[in-house]
Amino acid sequence: GDSVTQMEGPVTLSEEACLTINCTYTATGYPSLFWYVQYPGEGLQLLLKATKADDKGSNKGFEATYRKETTSFHLEKGSVQVSDSAVYFCALYTGNQFYFGTGTSLTVIP
Amino acid sequence: AAGVIQSPRHLIKEKRETATLKCYPIPRHDTVYWYQQGPGQDPQFLISFYEKMQSDKGSIPDRFSAQQFSDYHSELNMSSLELGDSALYFCATTGQRDDSGTYEQYFGPGTRLTVT
Repeated sequence: GDSVTQMEGPVTLSEEACLTINCTYTATGYPSLFWYVQYPGEGLQLLLKATKADDKGSNKGFEATYRKETTSFHLEKGSVQVSDSAVYFCALYTGNQFYFGTGTSLTVIP
Repeated sequence: AAGVIQSPRHLIKEKRETATLKCYPIPRHDTVYWYQQGPGQDPQFLISFYEKMQSDKGSIPDRFSAQQFSDYHSELNMSSLELGDSALYFCATTGQRDDSGTYEQYFGPGTRLTVT
């Protein structure tokens, strides 16, 4: 069935370090791919998305490219900030529902 | 901009009690999804409604039921609560496709249910 496999955390980085959170997926058809961010005690917020192969989603310095050949959608940021500390979920949408990865907790220390 | 509203934000119940969670979608959104997120877990899809009809069903226990009303708000009814039902319950709503042809889900802030 459809699923998302996400890099396990937690991840701890120093401010201004580079971030990569790996995400791979399994899906029939042609899913749309998303990254959501969740701050403590809050709901999921859409960070970025890509709807077809080779699309690049970007927002707030974060980027992810939809790679059909490797079924991946890795999240990257060149220079993280303390305010980026949150849990990040990779997700795919194939039709009637979203499938989420298990989430990766990121802590950025000054 | 209007967002998805959920009530209550926090709820404490005892085992075997019942609980009702409410979700009010963004105006003109006609589809509602319910998710359950246990501590440190990813959101698990429970059930969805489109135009007041159940459209898809996930891992929703038989003790739970849900419906969507004529104003498109939805209620999740939970009976015979168990300790394991303690979780954050999100609803998400979608409306028309965006410019890329994707239905983007807008998530509510969640209801944190604690069963003691």
